[in-house]
Amino acid sequence: EPEVTQTPSHQVTQMGQEVILRCVPISNHLYFYWYRQILGQKVEFLVSFYNNEISEKSEIFDDQFSVERPDGSNFTLKIRSTKLEDSAMYFCASTQIDNEQFFGPGTRLTVL
Amino acid sequence: AQKITQTQPGMFVQEKEAVTLDCTYDTSDQSYGLFWYKQPSSGEMIFLIYQGSYDEQNATEGRYSLNFQKARKSANLVISASQLGDSAMYFCAMREPYSNYQLIWGAGTKLIIKP
Repeated sequence: EPEVTQTPSHQVTQMGQEVILRCVPISNHLYFYWYRQILGQKVEFLVSFYNNEISEKSEIFDDQFSVERPDGSNFTLKIRSTKLEDSAMYFCASTQIDNEQFFGPGTRLTVL
Repeated sequence: AQKITQTQPGMFVQEKEAVTLDCTYDTSDQSYGLFWYKQPSSGEMIFLIYQGSYDEQNATEGRYSLNFQKARKSANLVISASQLGDSAMYFCAMREPYSNYQLIWGAGTKLIIKP
């Protein structure tokens, strides 16, 4: 069964460093998403990506964040200069229009 | 404004009993989708069940069923014959059609099954 994969599973970084979180969505899906979940809190939408461009982003997704689909399979989330409050679980998801959103296993980001 | 409300932050249920997790939603769209996801302590997000707003029958997937009451805007998850492995966080989420199909999430319910 096809699945969304994410790497790394855990990332520890120093405040101010750049991080890149990687995702491989399911190949025939059309929409891609990044969500984050701060420990013990609800899941928050960050950004959606369709047709090789950002289709919608939340207020959390400020200039420190960017997304790319560099090679038609990977989907990356970059945080340019990490802050302590960026520590969270980051989920990538992909979907056809009317089906469930398939989630990756998540990347746990810890900013020290 | 809160679009997805899960009023039960935590629940304890005896093994083998049925459990209902509450979810109410708010939308002015006629076309939307409702989801339930399970998040065990390991952190991954596991899809459980989906209900489309135009579906006339309540969705069922094995031991999971969704009690969809459109007029009340509620989409409660029912787990029959609970098992110890059902202990997890459960999230209700809604997909609106004009928002690029992103999911809007409730705060979750922590379910603990007692042996």
